[in-house]
This record gives sequence, C-alpha cells and structure tokens, in this order.
Amino acid sequence: EAGVAQSPRYKIIEKRQSVAFWCNPISGHATLYWYQQILGQGPKLLIQFQNNGVVDDSQLPKDRFSAERLKGVDSTLKIQPAKLEDSAVYLCASSLLTGSNTEAFFGQGTRLTVV
Amino acid sequence: GDSVTQMEGPVTLSEEAFLTINCTYTATGYPSLFWYVQYPGEGLQLLLKATKADDKGSNKGFEATYRKETTSFHLEKGSVQVSDSAVYFCALSSSGGSYIPTFGRGTSLIVHP
Repeated sequence: EAGVAQSPRYKIIEKRQSVAFWCNPISGHATLYWYQQILGQGPKLLIQFQNNGVVDDSQLPKDRFSAERLKGVDSTLKIQPAKLEDSAVYLCASSLLTGSNTEAFFGQGTRLTVV
Repeated sequence: GDSVTQMEGPVTLSEEAFLTINCTYTATGYPSLFWYVQYPGEGLQLLLKATKADDKGSNKGFEATYRKETTSFHLEKGSVQVSDSAVYFCALSSSGGSYIPTFGRGTSLIVHP
C-alpha cells in the first residue's frame, strides 16, 4: 500500500514570497490533516478535511494560509506572503475515518525555510 | 482543551539500558492514547496505542500502559538498541477534541553503542 506522498521535500524562499505544498493521501482515506511542526515542538494542527469539506481550520492563519482539497483526494496548502516564523516542517496525514482510535498515517513532510 | 506533556529531551542512553519516557495528558471524555516515532529523515509512524484504561500497547519491545488515575501513558523498553535512536511523540485523540490527534512536543532519544 502506498503511503502519504508529499512534495516538495525541501523549499527555501524569501520572506513575502508565496509557496505551495502538495499532498496525496492514502487511497480511500476520507480524513486529511495538515500539521505545522516547528523545530523542537510537536506537530500543531492547521486544518482537517473530511472528504472535500473543512472540519476544523480554527488554527489556520487565514490571512496568509489557505488550503483546499478538491474532489476529496489531493490537497494543497499555500502560504502567501510567507514570514520568517513560517519556517517549519509541514506534515500531511490521512486516516481512513475519524474516530478516537483511528491511526493517522503521515507523509515525510516538507521542510520550509523562509529567509 | 486537550493537551499532552512529555519529558524534555534529549534522553541519552547506552545500548541495552532501560528506557522510560514520561507522558501525561489532559482531555475531556475518554481519549485514545498513542506513541508515534520519527526516525531521522522520515515521517511520523505509529509505534503503539491504547484505547481504554488499563490497556497496554506494545510493539517492537516498547510498551505503554493507559493509566486513567494518573492520566499517564509512559513509554518503556527494557533494552534499547542504537537503531531506536529517534524522536518519540505522545499523542491523544478524544471526542472533546473532535478526534483530532493532539501531540506532545516530542522527546529525542540517543542511544550510544
């Protein structure tokens, strides 16, 4: 079974530029998450999708971050304009269902450096 | 809201030493508890889980017991190997948190030969 695919693996941009990350979840997984992991901290949820609908985006900085999941499969996360504090690893995860004992499967992440 | 507190790292051990990484949690309802591991250059992967009080999750020689009375889920291994060097994340999922996995800050483990 193929895992969660993310691209690119690494990205370096200047502040105020824009950037986009792509995620392809495991086939058949209805739930998709984007997490931000700042160095030395645990992953923090940015947004959760159930199929192509947003379930929770309360921690997404909507003035600069946006995400979509067209057709309920692939997802993109965009930052525009980027700030220095956005430097982090952006993790995509998917799960078959939503529930208390449902395992989330993670991609390798995209490491973003804003200079 | 839901939260997870882990002991600070790094934890540095010699091969074959005993490992304990402490994890405590705050949650509404009855959460499920998880340990994820992140090896260098890789994504997070589930190590073990427990879904109700007194359950013990185990995998690859690692164990953790769900202790509701102390709201803890400490990770243990009797004899660590160099290949266990990684970052370990405690996490929970609960109805109060809309089942969104909530993570601790992670604990780095370094095992020397």
